[in-house]
Amino acid sequence: ETGVTQTPRHLVMGMTNKKSLKCEQHLGHNAMYWYKQSAKKPLELMFVYNFKEQTENNSVPSRFSPECPNSSHLFLHLHTLQPEDSALYLCASSQVTSGSGEQYFGPGTRLTVT
Amino acid sequence: GQQLNQSPQSMFIQEGEDVSMNCTSSSIFNTWLWYKQDPGEGPVLLIALYKAGELTSNGRLTAQFGITRKDSFLNISASIPSDVGIYFCAGLRTGANSKLTFGKGITLSVRP
Repeated sequence: ETGVTQTPRHLVMGMTNKKSLKCEQHLGHNAMYWYKQSAKKPLELMFVYNFKEQTENNSVPSRFSPECPNSSHLFLHLHTLQPEDSALYLCASSQVTSGSGEQYFGPGTRLTVT
Repeated sequence: GQQLNQSPQSMFIQEGEDVSMNCTSSSIFNTWLWYKQDPGEGPVLLIALYKAGELTSNGRLTAQFGITRKDSFLNISASIPSDVGIYFCAGLRTGANSKLTFGKGITLSVRP
């Protein structure tokens, strides 16, 4: 299943580093999402983009900065992160106009902040 | 905020057994989705349900959209070792800026 790809799969970064996560969807969808997944918690929605426009910022700290240059690509730029930001970051896409709600996820980036 | 309840957190079954999981909410949803997540991977969509009372199968998996629209059930029949993983339910209320609400997931272990 390669509909949604994410790179890198694993990332270790220090608190002063700047890095970016990349997501690409090959499903022709028009909405893309960033989620944070921590142990023992439900998936936390971070950002939503519909047709390249950000429609949701779920009170995410500014050290996370999303970018959506087109409907197929989504980035999450990271800077001055905290150890509690260590988690699995998942990208998803959907066809928002169909209203079915089905989101397809990438494999995630396992982020460790040291 | 919205919450979907999945319990217990973990289930342990013997290979070959059937298992049933449910997902409940205090609010109505128009769509119910069931996902499975393997270790180190993202969630994979198993079944999508769109109408109250709908019963849908995908191989050994069967899911139902509760008649009250506040719950959904997933059944796995004749479990096999590769059924191990975390099973999430998700609900959607269609409308402007609608977004999925997820449960915390149930970790399923299958003993050979």
